[in-house]
Amino acid sequence: DAGVIQSPRHEVTEMGQEVTLRCKPISGHNSLFWYRQTMMRGLELLIYFNNNVPIDDSGMPEDRFSAKMPNASFSTLKIQPSEPRDSAVYFCASLQDSGANVLTFGAGSRLTVL
Amino acid sequence: QKEVEQDPGPLSVPEGAIVSLNCTYSNSAFQYFMWYRQYSRKGPELLMYTYSSGNKEDGRFTAQVDKSSKYISLFIRDSQPSDSATYLCAMSRTGNQFYFGTGTSLTVIP
Repeated sequence: DAGVIQSPRHEVTEMGQEVTLRCKPISGHNSLFWYRQTMMRGLELLIYFNNNVPIDDSGMPEDRFSAKMPNASFSTLKIQPSEPRDSAVYFCASLQDSGANVLTFGAGSRLTVL
Repeated sequence: QKEVEQDPGPLSVPEGAIVSLNCTYSNSAFQYFMWYRQYSRKGPELLMYTYSSGNKEDGRFTAQVDKSSKYISLFIRDSQPSDSATYLCAMSRTGNQFYFGTGTSLTVIP
């Protein structure tokens, strides 16, 4: 299995621009998570989906952030408009509900907003 | 009080040393205990996980869970420069809520 696949790996954009991050979970995993990691705050859960349905989005910072999971093999995290304080590494992770309750992470998308 | 506490370090040891990494937690309902290794500019990689209490060994790595003390440990024997990374502990109950430590930065000096 190729693992959790994220794109882009790096994104540099200017304040006010729209950013879309993408994630393909491991095949057969039915829960998907979006995390943000910064030096100051560590790993923060933004949102998670179960069977493509958003279950907990309480970590989404504000309305500028939105996430979708149109099917079992694809999810997007969108920031519009982006701000410098959104600069961070965004990780996608997945797990299979019927297996061990452990997360598998992607390689992350490093976002820099100038 | 945070759900999971982890000393951020940094921790610096000579090659070949035994390394002990620890986390404490407050929620007695946690059942899964995980250790992730994160190299610089990479994603967290699952190193080991334990269900409920006890010990688990995998090569040079040993994970211990002491539920009575709400304390988990990761031991690395014969540490190598390639072990230099940030180590994150994580815990969960059943379901999809995970709680992460802030990570301990480890450097193994050749």
